[in-house]
Amino acid sequence: ETGVTQSPTHLIKTRGQQVTLRCSSQSGHNTVSWYQQALGQGPQFIFQYYREEENGRGNFPPRFSGLQFPNYSSELNVNALELDDSALYLCASSLRLANSPLHFGNGTRLTVT
Amino acid sequence: TQLLEQSPQFLSIQEGENLTVYCNSSSVFSSLQWYRQEPGEGPVLLVTVVTGGEVKKLKRLTFQFGDARKDSSLHITAAQPGDTGLYLCAGRKDSNYQLIWGAGTKLIIKP
Repeated sequence: ETGVTQSPTHLIKTRGQQVTLRCSSQSGHNTVSWYQQALGQGPQFIFQYYREEENGRGNFPPRFSGLQFPNYSSELNVNALELDDSALYLCASSLRLANSPLHFGNGTRLTVT
Repeated sequence: TQLLEQSPQFLSIQEGENLTVYCNSSSVFSSLQWYRQEPGEGPVLLVTVVTGGEVKKLKRLTFQFGDARKDSSLHITAAQPGDTGLYLCAGRKDSNYQLIWGAGTKLIIKP
């Protein structure tokens, strides 16, 4: 089976710019979640998508937005980048079942200067 | 406010020693998961516990869910350098499917 893949692996942006991060789900998984992980911290839930609709959102401002496509791949968009947005962004796919394990990609390391 | 508190935040021990890390909360969780994350990679699921008092073993790793389902522990016997990583606990409440994450315990096993 194909695992979760994320692109790009690393990215450097300037404050105020916009960024799009991409994620391909593991085959057979219909749910995708995005997380922000600051250095030395646990993942912080951004939002989850199921059947192309947002299905839960964490404490992130509206400039964080996403999409899920019919093939269950997903994008995370961040507008008006701020220095504090520098982090590892993780995508995880799963089935929409209680206690279904999350399968993570290796993340995109975003640096905002 | 961190709903799941992990301790210690950092632990560095010699190969062969035993260790226990903790995941505590004042809230009740319907289930709790433990993940290990290595540098440059995403977290990988180790175990899911769902029943109060449940104990699960994965080779040298023993996971326990508290009776009241508010806390959990991970015990490693005879730690090896390959156990090095960030250990994360994550819990689900009944009200939704979203995971609540702890900040992790960074574990270093020195040869």
